[in-house]
Amino acid sequence: SQQGEEDPQALSIQEGENATMNCSYKTSINNLQWYRQNSGRGLVHLILIRSNEREKHSGRLRVTLDTSKKSSSLLITASRAADTASYFCATDSMDSNYQLIWGAGTKLIIKP
Amino acid sequence: DAGITQSPRHKVTETGTPVTLRCHQTENHRYMYWYRQDPGHGLRLIHYSYGVKDTDKGEVSDGYSVSRSKTEDFLLTLESATSSQTSVYFCAISGQGFSQPQHFGDGTRLSIL
Repeated sequence: SQQGEEDPQALSIQEGENATMNCSYKTSINNLQWYRQNSGRGLVHLILIRSNEREKHSGRLRVTLDTSKKSSSLLITASRAADTASYFCATDSMDSNYQLIWGAGTKLIIKP
Repeated sequence: DAGITQSPRHKVTETGTPVTLRCHQTENHRYMYWYRQDPGHGLRLIHYSYGVKDTDKGEVSDGYSVSRSKTEDFLLTLESATSSQTSVYFCAISGQGFSQPQHFGDGTRLSIL
């Protein structure tokens, strides 16, 4: 079962532009995490946001969480070629016995 | 980067053969996980471990078994591989449970012909 679903599936932008990816989920969650995956590599943790938080920042990353809409967004500002990767959201909840449920990811391409 | 090593990195085998994948960590983390990643799907949890000899099933555990005899090693075994188990397998670790950030190995690409 997929809890998180990312939107769009793919995104191509010019270097320097901002990139926004969205994640929707179905049940009440405990936490939501965002991860990055470069081609052929493992996933790298970016940000964890708790259900009682609305926004978190880390460098050029900004994550928002709207529990009323059951959605989150990841904003990458001033994108760089090195940001080219797939981005995944993952949620944990009582319904999943707190196991992480992952979305299918957004593939982000930054054009130089 | 967290010290997680998966072996082998690539493997091709035939249907019906047993296959064992190894995950080795040097972080002394309590929790270890095995996931599979398939096109169009998010990661799906196969099994996880919350301590030596303590393991539990994930979402897609059928056809897989695991063992953890030492803190640092977590083995995933396909007793009799099937073509539907062709996938990329990732090991992950975390100090606490699922709710905490997980650190991933670089995966094992397994092809079953």
